[in-house]
Amino acid sequence: DTEVTQTPKHLVMGMTNKKSLKCEQHMGHRAMYWYKQKAKKPPELMFVYSYEKLSINESVPSRFSPECPNSSLLNLHLHALQPEDSALYLCASSQVRGEKLFFGSGTQLSVL
Amino acid sequence: AQSVTQPDIHITVSEGASLELRCNYSYGATPYLFWYVQSPGQGLQLLLKYFSGDTLVQGIKGFEAEFKRSQSSFNLRKPSVHWSDAAEYFCAVATTSGTYKYIFGTGTRLKVLA
Repeated sequence: DTEVTQTPKHLVMGMTNKKSLKCEQHMGHRAMYWYKQKAKKPPELMFVYSYEKLSINESVPSRFSPECPNSSLLNLHLHALQPEDSALYLCASSQVRGEKLFFGSGTQLSVL
Repeated sequence: AQSVTQPDIHITVSEGASLELRCNYSYGATPYLFWYVQSPGQGLQLLLKYFSGDTLVQGIKGFEAEFKRSQSSFNLRKPSVHWSDAAEYFCAVATTSGTYKYIFGTGTRLKVLA
């Protein structure tokens, strides 16, 4: 299994909603990442988990809250988002930090 | 600070023609270097990577890239482009010491003419 699975594929939410994005991999990778990608832009790193511990937070607003319940799962909890947070949210994993990344197909998020 | 530059925002080639996508990086040491491809609305797929050793690396789908330390470049090449190669291509750099960074270039959109 060489897949990173992200759910949901599409999400529309209001600014007062709370929602969560989910990511799962069964490759035994110990590093997992959240990236945000706006249209026609490169992915921007948000968070890195290494061995289930948050190792990098790229000054992301607190309305985004990551969680790594175990080595296979990565969540991104969303609360009180703004319309400018609308983007493609990509999850990735790698065997260890710095190695090649395996990406999921992303969650297209629209904030109304 | 570390950075990755892809000078070509768009490139158009005819099917069967050769392709070269440029990538330059700025980093004090030799980083890990990657090329990824992204189709619309999809995640990124790794084409190839360079960590050390032979400076010419082979990847999937017939792509290759050459690391040139003197030019701080890692250009992607393909001898004969197929229509299915039309996509967005990202060069990426991962730092090998100090503060960890995994940075993507701004991307090059490839259009293939039939």
